[in-house]
Formats: sequence, C-alpha cells, structure tokens
Amino acid sequence: DTGVSQDPRHKITKRGQNVTFRCDPISEHNRLYWYRQTLGQGPEFLTYFQNEAQLEKSRLLSDRFSAERPKGSFSTLEIQRTEQGDSAMYLCASRNRGPNEKLFFGSGTQLSVL
Amino acid sequence: AQKVTQAQTEISVVEKEDVTLDCVYETRDTTYYLFWYKQPPSGELVFLIRRNSFDEQNEISGRYSWNFQKSTSSFNFTITASQVVDSAVYFCAHSRADFGNEKLTFGTGTRLTIIP
Repeated sequence: DTGVSQDPRHKITKRGQNVTFRCDPISEHNRLYWYRQTLGQGPEFLTYFQNEAQLEKSRLLSDRFSAERPKGSFSTLEIQRTEQGDSAMYLCASRNRGPNEKLFFGSGTQLSVL
Repeated sequence: AQKVTQAQTEISVVEKEDVTLDCVYETRDTTYYLFWYKQPPSGELVFLIRRNSFDEQNEISGRYSWNFQKSTSSFNFTITASQVVDSAVYFCAHSRADFGNEKLTFGTGTRLTIIP
C-alpha cells in the first residue's frame, strides 16, 4: 500500500489522558499536513511540515497539542490532558513539492474522549 | 480570510438522475485554487479536481463536470447519470496559490445519497 497511513484508526480515551497518533506519508513526499474534522464539518487545518520543519500552526492548535516530524518521514500528533472537545477525526495528508502536485489524505484517526 | 459555503447539507436523488452540488467561496486573494474532494464512508478524502483561479474553463471528466464562475464566486459540481457508488460526502475547498503550501479551507460538505 503506497497511500498515506494513519495509526490507530480509532482511539477511545478518558478525559485527562494523553494520546499520540502516527502518520506515515507517501514516501518521498516532503510536505505533511494535519487536519481535524468534527462531525458534520469540513476538515480544519492544524499544522504543516516541510521535511522536518514545522512551518505553520493554526490557532486551533492549543498548547496541549504538539506535532513532530523528527526525520522528515513519519509524523506524530500528541494531545496532552485530553478534553471532550478534542473528540474528532484527525486527518493526515502529504504531497510532493511542485505546483501541480495534489494532496493525498489518509483515512484518519477517530478520537473519542469520554 | 477565506470562506467556503456549501448550502446543501444533504441531497438524495434516484440512481441515473443528474445532480449538482453548489459551492460559493469568498476570498481576497487574486490568485487561488479551488478543489472538490469526495469522502466515502471509509473516511479518506479523495481528490477530484483542482482549478486555478486564472482558468475559468469548465471541465468534464467522465460523468463529472465542474462549472467555475468568478463573477458569482461559484464552483459547482455536477454528476451526470448518478450511480450508487457516488454516495458520499463531497467537500469544496479553497487554497491560496502559494506553491507547495496547500492549506485548504473546506466547506461543511454536502452528503449525497443515491437511491437505487
């Protein structure tokens, strides 16, 4: 499978716990994006990496959220002290550099905070 | 700030009927991209089309066609002879034309159900 891979597909946690999601982009894609999608809404941009550098963060990304892409390949998104409002689908996407390249999305990680 | 509006929350049509999904956008950018994505029940967003703001030509791809009109800030999507496999949530999106940074602003989506 050469698509964008996300793990886990589903995560149920209790409020206050920390969770970490992983995204494996398509190999050789140097740009990686995280989006969040709540029920009945479109995805919202969270953050973006070019190789290992985190170039932009949305205001949606509170201090409890941290994303890394240590070697410019896979990325992790950690949420500390989860809140019920964090319940959402977290989508990862990647693309190559170039004006005509398109964004490829993974199937997402569905987070439920109880 | 950019805004994308998809006023149709849900649409149901009988198989083989044509259906049009509406998209209206707001932007102050002089150059930008518009997109349509399909999200089937599996959750993965599937790219359908990207249109540059310079190019107002309509596009047809099989049963799919897109009508881009800058004068009305609309980018509508038509499925001809709909099929059950077309059932999904469809999102319209906008991005600035900063090459390599496709930070997308999505609409709220239209859930399309094709009735067999």
